Amino acid sequence: DTAVSQTPKYLVTQMGNDKSIKCEQNLGHDTMYWYKQDSKKFLKIMFSYNNKELIINETVPNRFSPKSPDKAHLNLHINSLELGDSAVYFCASSPWADRGTQYFGPGTRLTVL
Amino acid sequence: AQKVTQAQTEISVVEKEDVTLDCVYETRDTTYYLFWYKQPPSGELVFLIRRNSFDEQNEISGRYSWNFQKSTSSFNFTITASQVVDSAVYFCALSGGATNKLIFGTGTLLAVQP
Repeated sequence: DTAVSQTPKYLVTQMGNDKSIKCEQNLGHDTMYWYKQDSKKFLKIMFSYNNKELIINETVPNRFSPKSPDKAHLNLHINSLELGDSAVYFCASSPWADRGTQYFGPGTRLTVL
Repeated sequence: AQKVTQAQTEISVVEKEDVTLDCVYETRDTTYYLFWYKQPPSGELVFLIRRNSFDEQNEISGRYSWNFQKSTSSFNFTITASQVVDSAVYFCALSGGATNKLIFGTGTLLAVQP
């Protein structure tokens, strides 16, 4: 009964490739997020969607494109992967009315070689 | 601008010691929320507590307690009688404003030695 799930858990790929990470939540929340945690453990928000509408878009290279097919899913597609994209990517969700309290997925560790 | 500072990068204690993790925040919002999350070695982020800016009551949950002081913009976290299982990175976070996005501190790595 995983609340927020991400696939894959680990992703190893070569520079220049395109890859996607998927996120699904079964909490009935209408707001979802992507965070990046770098090698120094620093966590920073990348994007947020509410009911499939983009509401937060931090300064992220446009090689990163989120897609929300419905409010239970938020996928992250990354084009032309670079070494610096290596990180752990966390998906999270929350109700819009209580969007400060976010529930996180288990994370996807992306390694770019 | 919003900011969260966790000045303690790493703390090492021996089991059964009490330990306090410091968190100082900056915000211009009058309504905001403060959080603590735990990230154990397995990597997941575990929600521990949320406090809103109008509630300065301290909270205790088992061996965990939180001290929120608006006068000093601090939201400190104390673990009493620490255990090895408490070893983790602990993040303080702040949300507020129109988007309520979470702003995380840089985390404090707590190592509890047996």
